[in-house]
Amino acid sequence: TQLLEQSPQFLSIQEGENLTVYCNSSSVFSSLQWYRQEPGEGPVLLVTVVTGGEVKKLKRLTFQFGDARKDSSLHITAAQPGDTGLYLCALAGTYKYIFGTGTRLKVLA
Amino acid sequence: GAVVSQHPSWVICKSGTSVKIECRSLDFQATTMFWYRQFPKQSLMLMATSNEGSKATYEQGVEKDKFLINHASLTLSTLTVTSAHPEDSSFYICSARVREGLYEQYFGPGTRLTVT
Repeated sequence: TQLLEQSPQFLSIQEGENLTVYCNSSSVFSSLQWYRQEPGEGPVLLVTVVTGGEVKKLKRLTFQFGDARKDSSLHITAAQPGDTGLYLCALAGTYKYIFGTGTRLKVLA
Repeated sequence: GAVVSQHPSWVICKSGTSVKIECRSLDFQATTMFWYRQFPKQSLMLMATSNEGSKATYEQGVEKDKFLINHASLTLSTLTVTSAHPEDSSFYICSARVREGLYEQYFGPGTRLTVT
C-alpha cells in the first residue's frame, strides 16, 4: 500500500483558476519532494522541502510542508494549460523514495 | 547538469524474449540508481535500488529472477526483463542520485515496453 495519499486524484479546471493539491501520510517525513510528469516522460523535480512549516515558491507554484512534517500542499495560482500534467509527491529517505498516488491536472484553455 | 538517459525509449518484443534497458548518468557519477515501473495513469512504483558493484535490493513482490539489474559502473545500470509476457508491458523509468546524503534524484525519460 502507498504510504502517501494525494488528493484530489483528478482535477480539471479552466485557465486562470487557482488550485491546491495535497499530500498526506500517517508517518513523519524526513523530507518531501514534488515532481511534475508529462505523458511519456520521466518526472521532473520541482522542489524539496525539509523543515516543518517550510514554504517555498516557484513562480506561480507555492509549496508548503506541514508543521508536523506529515503533510504537504502544492498551490498553483492562475493555472495555465502548460501546468497540465501528473503531480507527484515523494517521500525521500536515505535509501529509497516512495511516491504518492498522484494528482492528474488538466488545465483547459 | 544531472542528466540521465535511457535506451531504448520504446521497445516492442514478442512474448518469451528478453529485453535490456540501459540507464546512464551522463554528467555525473551515480553510486545509486533506482528502477521504477509505471502503469497508465498511475504513480511510480519502486522496483529496486541498484548500487554500483553490489547486488540490487528489490522491493517486496518484485521477482529478482525476472527483472535482472546490473550496476556495473558508476554511470550505467541495466534492467533486463527476462522471458517477457504481455503483463510486463509498462513504462519503466530509472533515476539516479547525485551522491549519498542528498535527497534529489534525477529521472531518465523512461522506456515504454510493449510485449506482444
